[in-house]
Amino acid sequence: GAGVSQTPSNKVTEKGKYVELRCDPISGHTALYWYRQSLGQGPEFLIYFQGTGAADDSGLPNDRFFAVRPEGSVSTLKIQRTERGDSAVYLCASSLQASPTYEQYFGPGTRLTVT
Amino acid sequence: SQQGEEDPQALSIQEGENATMNCSYKTSINNLQWYRQNSGRGLVHLILIRSNEREKHSGRLRVTLDTSKKSSSLLITASRAADTASYFCATQRPGNTGKLIFGQGTTLQVKP
Repeated sequence: GAGVSQTPSNKVTEKGKYVELRCDPISGHTALYWYRQSLGQGPEFLIYFQGTGAADDSGLPNDRFFAVRPEGSVSTLKIQRTERGDSAVYLCASSLQASPTYEQYFGPGTRLTVT
Repeated sequence: SQQGEEDPQALSIQEGENATMNCSYKTSINNLQWYRQNSGRGLVHLILIRSNEREKHSGRLRVTLDTSKKSSSLLITASRAADTASYFCATQRPGNTGKLIFGQGTTLQVKP
């Protein structure tokens, strides 16, 4: 079956612009996670959803970052007034439920470059 | 902030040799997982070991967990060129049903 998909695969934007990154989870997965990975580092947790609600957004670096999942399926990560330090690969993952019992399946990521 | 730290940061071996990577973490955990990443993109789940387990096997992979030392190791036996990738450990804490806390990763190169 289809895995987690993310669009776009690459995004280049100018400093100060607004960007949206999209994640399509595996069908039927109620939990969805966003991570950010800088070059040479491990992924860093940003936020996760159980259904439509953000269950833990403690990893969002500041109020320029926002994520939604209005219908409990597709999620959009929104970044306002982008800065060069936002350049990274943004990874999305989904799991059947938000529980350590269930494996998280990762998408291929969106590589964001802020110039 | 990163919970786990892996060593070595980079490892280069010949095909057929075994590769051992270590991971240390700071807080109590529910479980520890190992992931593989090729070309800096999607992560592939390899194996999960729970806090009450000490050792687990999956094919050529062997994972150990020592909760008293807050450390884990991943052993890949009879390595292949296709095992070349970055390997990350990640932990989930008790009561936290969502987020994974990743280490910095070990880059493994297996030479044919």
